[in-house]
Amino acid sequence: DAGVIQSPRHEVTEMGQEVTLRCKPISGHNSLFWYRQTMMRGLELLIYFNNNVPIDDSGMPEDRFSAKMPNASFSTLKIQPSEPRDSAVYFCASSLTGIPEAFFGQGTRLTVV
Amino acid sequence: AQSVAQPEDQVNVAEGNPLTVKCTYSVSGNPYLFWYVQYPNRGLQFLLKYITGDNLVKGSYGFEAEFNKSQTSFHLKKPSALVSDSALYFCAVPISSGSARQLTFGSGTQLTVLP
Repeated sequence: DAGVIQSPRHEVTEMGQEVTLRCKPISGHNSLFWYRQTMMRGLELLIYFNNNVPIDDSGMPEDRFSAKMPNASFSTLKIQPSEPRDSAVYFCASSLTGIPEAFFGQGTRLTVV
Repeated sequence: AQSVAQPEDQVNVAEGNPLTVKCTYSVSGNPYLFWYVQYPNRGLQFLLKYITGDNLVKGSYGFEAEFNKSQTSFHLKKPSALVSDSALYFCAVPISSGSARQLTFGSGTQLTVLP
C-alpha cells in the first residue's frame, strides 16, 4: 500500500479564497483524522471520522472549516474563506479500529497570503 | 483528561552517545502510550507503543521506551545515537480512555545529534 496520500503537498492562496485539501487513507482503514500543525499550537486534532461518519469535530476552529468523507477512500478538508492565520501544515491520518496507531500522510503545507 | 507532557523542547546529544527523550503522562486507567517521529517536511511516523506487558518496549530504528508507572513516565531511549536520528519526536496518548482512536500529542522535542 502507498500509505496515506494527501494532495496537494503545497498550497499558496490569497486571503478570502476557498481551499480544499484532499486525503486518501490506507485501504481498509476505517478511521480517518485531520490534524493541523503550527509552531504556536503544535499538533491539533481537527476532526475524525469512523466508517465515514464524523465522530468528533470539536477541534474544528470555526465554521469556515468543513470536512467530508463521502466514501471510505476519500476525504476533504475545506476552508472557506481562508485567512492568513490558517497557514499551517495539515495532516491526514488513518487507522483501523482496534489497532491504536495512526498512519500519517506527508501533509499539505498551506500558506494564505 | 488524558494528556502527555514533554518537558524538553530541545535535546542535543553527540553521535554515539545514548539519548533520552522524556515524556510524562496523565491518564485514568491503564495507559496506551505512543512515540512518533517527524523528519523535516514529512508526516509523523509511528515508532513504538505501550499497551500492556513488558515495561521496556522496543520499536523501529533501534529505539526503545521504558514505561514507569510510579513515575508516570514513558521516556524514549536509544543506546547509541546517529546523526540521522535528528528529528522532532512526539509522545502521544489516546484522548478517550479505553479507545485508541483519537491521539493527543505532546508539544514535541527536537532532537539534534551532533557529529
